[in-house]
Amino acid sequence: DSGVTQTPKHLITATGQRVTLRCSPRSGDLSVYWYQQSLDQGLQFLIQYYNGEERAKGNILERFSAQQFPDLHSELNLSSLELGDSALYFCASSVGARTEAFFGQGTRLTVV
Amino acid sequence: EDQVTQSPEALRLQEGESSSLNCSYTVSGLRGLFWYRQDPGKGPEFLFTLYSAGEEKEKERLKATLTKKESFLHITAPKPEDSATYLCAVQPNLSGGYQKVTFGTGTKLQVIP
Repeated sequence: DSGVTQTPKHLITATGQRVTLRCSPRSGDLSVYWYQQSLDQGLQFLIQYYNGEERAKGNILERFSAQQFPDLHSELNLSSLELGDSALYFCASSVGARTEAFFGQGTRLTVV
Repeated sequence: EDQVTQSPEALRLQEGESSSLNCSYTVSGLRGLFWYRQDPGKGPEFLFTLYSAGEEKEKERLKATLTKKESFLHITAPKPEDSATYLCAVQPNLSGGYQKVTFGTGTKLQVIP
């Protein structure tokens, strides 16, 4: 157990809908990262937050947004969902902004 | 742009048959290279961080090494429970705490009893 908690574990929704994925980082970690992993692709970095502020953006679509709250948990919002958004979404956390990250067990999103 | 290439894509070993996985990287100044293990449908599990050429780290049957252009994950006398996908990732040495880690697509290891 890495100490990073993601909810829900599974999510099935229809195209055009909006969902929110939640992540609680390890105790004491200030950085939170979001990654997307599709069947045919590796881990794609989406976005990083450090102590409530956005620090880095990767290949995150405009339909996706995220935030980190004062208690350091983070949410990833996915809207106007398309079939191609079906993937595993991972949250990771680290102590600093430049240290190794520990991953949660992921949310499997299926868009039908 | 930072790049990570892992080889082979898949590797099948007999139990006890030692081998190495390769991670070649291109990065504008390396701050750290990470190895992770990922089981199907699970989150990546952190294994090692390497910071400079010549550094080595070991954990049970795994040993990671680093040169200026590549890293190797050596697996000695593997067991079936070592079957997993092994991911390599690099972090550039940029100022300001900006961290964009680039992952390779992994080597899928299968160890047969």
